[in-house]
Amino acid sequence: DAGVIQSPRHEVTEMGQEVTLRCKPISGHNSLFWYRQTMMRGLELLIYFNNNVPIDDSGMPEDRFSAKMPNASFSTLKIQPSEPRDSAVYFCASSPQGGFSYEQYFGPGTRLTVT
Amino acid sequence: KNQVEQSPQSLIILEGKNCTLQCNYTVSPFSNLRWYKQDTGRGPVSLTIMTFSENTKSNGRYTATLDADTKQSSLHITASQLSDSASYICVVSAIGDDKIIFGKGTRLHILP
Repeated sequence: DAGVIQSPRHEVTEMGQEVTLRCKPISGHNSLFWYRQTMMRGLELLIYFNNNVPIDDSGMPEDRFSAKMPNASFSTLKIQPSEPRDSAVYFCASSPQGGFSYEQYFGPGTRLTVT
Repeated sequence: KNQVEQSPQSLIILEGKNCTLQCNYTVSPFSNLRWYKQDTGRGPVSLTIMTFSENTKSNGRYTATLDADTKQSSLHITASQLSDSASYICVVSAIGDDKIIFGKGTRLHILP
């Protein structure tokens, strides 16, 4: 299995631009999680889906962030408009079943730099 | 407030030595605790997961302990290797409101 796939691996954009991060979970996994990691705050859960349905988006920082999961094999995290404080590494993870009781498998991350 | 505190923030040891990383939490009601290893530039990888009834769990040279009464966990690394250089993150999940709380990690450097 290829594991969780994220693209792009690196993204550099100017403030105000739209950014779209992509994730393909492990085949057969029912849950998908988006995280953000910074030096100051560590890892933070942004949103998670169970069977393609958003369950908890309380970690999404503000309305500029949105996430979708149109099918079981694809999810996007969009930031519009982007700001310098959004610079971070964004991880996608998938899990065989819902909730936090099961092992999560992380992708390699997307390093976002907003100038 | 649900919190996970890890210590030390960073640690440097010589190859072949043992070390222990600490994790204290206030997450309640407790569901499970995980230790992750994160190599530079990569996503975290799970080392161990423990529920309330488990006191010790091993994964090769990694041994995690859990004291649910004092809300403390430790990760012991035996006979460290250069490849153990990484960040180690403690993660605690709560029952019910489905919360997951991450520690900020301990950065471990193994010197040859």
